[in-house]
Amino acid sequence: DAKTTQPNSMESNEEEPVHLPCNHSTISGTDYIHWYRQLPSQGPEYVIHGLTSNVNNRMASLAIAEDRKSSTLILHRATLRDAAVYYCIPSQGGNMLTFGGGTRLMVKP
Amino acid sequence: NAGVMQNPRHLVRRRGQEARLRCSPVKGHSHVYWYRQLPEEGLKFMVYLQKENIIDESGMPKERFSAEFPKEGPSILRIQQVVRGDSAAYFCASSPGQGAYNEQFFGPGTRLTVL
Repeated sequence: DAKTTQPNSMESNEEEPVHLPCNHSTISGTDYIHWYRQLPSQGPEYVIHGLTSNVNNRMASLAIAEDRKSSTLILHRATLRDAAVYYCIPSQGGNMLTFGGGTRLMVKP
Repeated sequence: NAGVMQNPRHLVRRRGQEARLRCSPVKGHSHVYWYRQLPEEGLKFMVYLQKENIIDESGMPKERFSAEFPKEGPSILRIQQVVRGDSAAYFCASSPGQGAYNEQFFGPGTRLTVL
């Protein structure tokens, strides 16, 4: 599995956009890039995934660099409920998800 | 639509006892995964099962731990002769198929405390 690097923590103000970066320079050509988040005392929750093109869904947007060595998860308007640990996970067909340390997002009211 | 259900949510065992953790996947999902999260650590993959088959158990300790996903009923993670180091949150996830594009749906977890 590709190694990932994410900031340990980030802070945001409520209602403002948040850009969560992830470096995955050893990603293979067939790895999808998944993002999950884990709210306090809960199980992880799928956020979004993509392969090459940028992706949007109701929760977030995913911007993938042209060389695929990095990606950015974008929360357009952070709410208090978005405070969580965000995990960037390149994943091939191995089915298991390899969780790193993630980024702890704190949202200030 | 019911999501992944796990029970019990909290389980307390004394050293040497057995722990049985149950997981009911999303209806229609035939792929189940178990992960463990030790206190203040990240989630670690343990085992991947399809109905009646273990596909990948590379993350599961060789001794005392076993998992099954029978044709009927929930998936079971069984820990025999528990030790204090087994205290952790155990999460189950399910997916509709295999492949890296498949989203995994996680349950709320079972928090095991070994006294």
